[in-house]
Amino acid sequence: DGGITQSPKYLFRKEGQNVTLSCEQNLNHDAMYWYRQDPGQGLRLIYYSQIVNDFQKGDIAEGYSVSREKKESFPLTVTSAQKNPTAFYLCASSAHWYGYTFGSGTRLTVV
Amino acid sequence: KNEVEQSPQNLTAQEGEFITINCSYSVGISALHWLQQHPGGGIVSLFMLSSGKKKHGRLIATINIQEKHSSLHITASHPRDSAVYICAVRSDSNYQLIWGAGTKLIIKP
Repeated sequence: DGGITQSPKYLFRKEGQNVTLSCEQNLNHDAMYWYRQDPGQGLRLIYYSQIVNDFQKGDIAEGYSVSREKKESFPLTVTSAQKNPTAFYLCASSAHWYGYTFGSGTRLTVV
Repeated sequence: KNEVEQSPQNLTAQEGEFITINCSYSVGISALHWLQQHPGGGIVSLFMLSSGKKKHGRLIATINIQEKHSSLHITASHPRDSAVYICAVRSDSNYQLIWGAGTKLIIKP
């Protein structure tokens, strides 16, 4: 079955370390997205990509970086410049004419 | 005013009750999503709707495009249904997803 795989589900890192979250899809979707959720808050857009080798900043891109070298993959790096990296991160993909498919998310805790 | 409004924000009910969560939006959409998030857990996609009604087990989702309104119903509610339910719409102008703030549901045994 097609879908989105985010790994790992839970991730712990020491403060000051960069960490990369994985997102892979086998749906042949052109567009992919990263969202962040803080406790008790709604989801906010970090970065999105509508085509390979191209991506745009969302509402809260500071302290994050992405790459889109392959259609199937859209990894998100949380850099040491991100002041409050502890959060829930959700990856999604879409075909341009319809709805979205969602990963199950990665819960990052920085200690 | 938010483009996607969910009501109620919080809902507590007894096991077995019929639950309704509402989502109203003010933009043109190509699709509407209902998602579920258990405390400390991941996101589960429940429904994607562009018209009419969908049913999966005890869950029913409806959408009225003319009124820009969707409802999520849970029949014979159970404590395991306790979660945050999130509505999100895909704008038909820029294809971006606009998220509701979520409805926190607690079902007491």
